[in-house]
Amino acid sequence: SQTIHQWPATLVQPVGSPLSLECTVEGTSNPNLYWYRQAAGRGLQLLFYSVGIGQISSEVPQNLSASRPQDRQFILSSKKLLLSDSGFYLCAWSPGVSTEAFFGQGTRLTVV
Amino acid sequence: AQTVTQSQPEMSVQEAETVTLSCTYDTSESDYYLFWYKQPPSRQMILVIRQEAYKQQNATENRFSVNFQKAAKSFSLKISDSQLGDAAMYFCAFPYGQNFVFGPGTRLSVLP
Repeated sequence: SQTIHQWPATLVQPVGSPLSLECTVEGTSNPNLYWYRQAAGRGLQLLFYSVGIGQISSEVPQNLSASRPQDRQFILSSKKLLLSDSGFYLCAWSPGVSTEAFFGQGTRLTVV
Repeated sequence: AQTVTQSQPEMSVQEAETVTLSCTYDTSESDYYLFWYKQPPSRQMILVIRQEAYKQQNATENRFSVNFQKAAKSFSLKISDSQLGDAAMYFCAFPYGQNFVFGPGTRLSVLP
């Protein structure tokens, strides 16, 4: 069966420090991969998605970037964190077009 | 435009009672899927139920069922015999292209 792992679960980082959140999927190949951000009590904001290795689409201009170095690995990065980067980040995968998404457990990021 | 509207920001239900969460959507697609996701306090997004638009029969999954009205673009979620563990944010969503369109969510409280 397919599983998705996202880590770390919680992260506290100072302003100006770098960020690296990692997400991996097991039990499938060539998944669509997604990074979402969610403010407290709010809906999901799509940040990046990828349909293949090295293929990244950005939905929102921001201080973040994403990379997909391997088929089932998706990384969210920042060179210098801002206070506004605080939030809850969710990684998700989908088998393909018009199918459901499956989510990781999320990362709560606090920038101080 | 592809949109999802959930007109009830918050709802409450008595334990063991039935509650219906509303969702309306707009899409230019003729064949599509619709989903309800649950986000408990742990904040992991869990797929509750899915509906294929070409199927007239409403989907059911244990205590969860939907009322899908394609012409009206309505996709409501009914939770029967509500349990304390049903307390969560509920999001209505559908895939569009390589991505997903999510509603703003409904926060459901279950009263003992």
